[in-house]
Amino acid sequence: QVQLQESGPGLVEPSQTLSLTCTVSGGSISSGSYYWSWIRQPAGKGLEWIGRMYTSGSTNYNPSLKSRVTISVDTSKNQFSLRLSSVTAADTAVYYCARGRGDYGDYYCDYWGQGTLVTVSS
Amino acid sequence: DIQMTQSPSSLSASVGDRVTITCRASQSISSYLNWYQQKPGEAPKLLIYVAFSLQSGVPSRFSGSGSGTDFTLTISGLQPEDFATYYCQQSYSTPYSFGQGTKLEIK
Repeated sequence: QVQLQESGPGLVEPSQTLSLTCTVSGGSISSGSYYWSWIRQPAGKGLEWIGRMYTSGSTNYNPSLKSRVTISVDTSKNQFSLRLSSVTAADTAVYYCARGRGDYGDYYCDYWGQGTLVTVSS
Repeated sequence: DIQMTQSPSSLSASVGDRVTITCRASQSISSYLNWYQQKPGEAPKLLIYVAFSLQSGVPSRFSGSGSGTDFTLTISGLQPEDFATYYCQQSYSTPYSFGQGTKLEIK
């Protein structure tokens, strides 16, 4: 059974960089054809797709965040990470990591972490 | 970017009812449409992918249909554990946008 767990600071100061890590257990992050993904959800609001990294290393980002976001993978630790620079209060949200997959050009997230709340405040 | 619009935004129903939630895309997305269920304080859970494929372990009372721009999620015979918020997501092109959600409440 694949499990994902987010970790990182719960409080980030404005203009600083938000850094989160997702630890994957129950399977190797470098095997198979998966999209290691990040999604966020402001309190009481809907879901926003942030981006993904394919097993091969290619990435896709939401253009609304593209200049600020980086997703990377550390296969030695079976982890993938999110970095979001120059944060503002608008970046306050619950951040989810997820495993995406797709066999015929589709994409869906079948395993999710429990989510971690990140608050941007001084 | 593709905009996803769900209707209704909220819905009241009783145990045993059959309910339908609609999702409309701002352009054709073929069958690249997913449905997720989210309960308070929990991560979203995948229900349906590519419009009609039932995720493993999801009860058969959940079904999806549609293609192009119009899609539906149907729950046949509501159970107490089905009261939650439901989101559609297009996977046709990045950014993979979600609908605003439909909150299903107990009548």
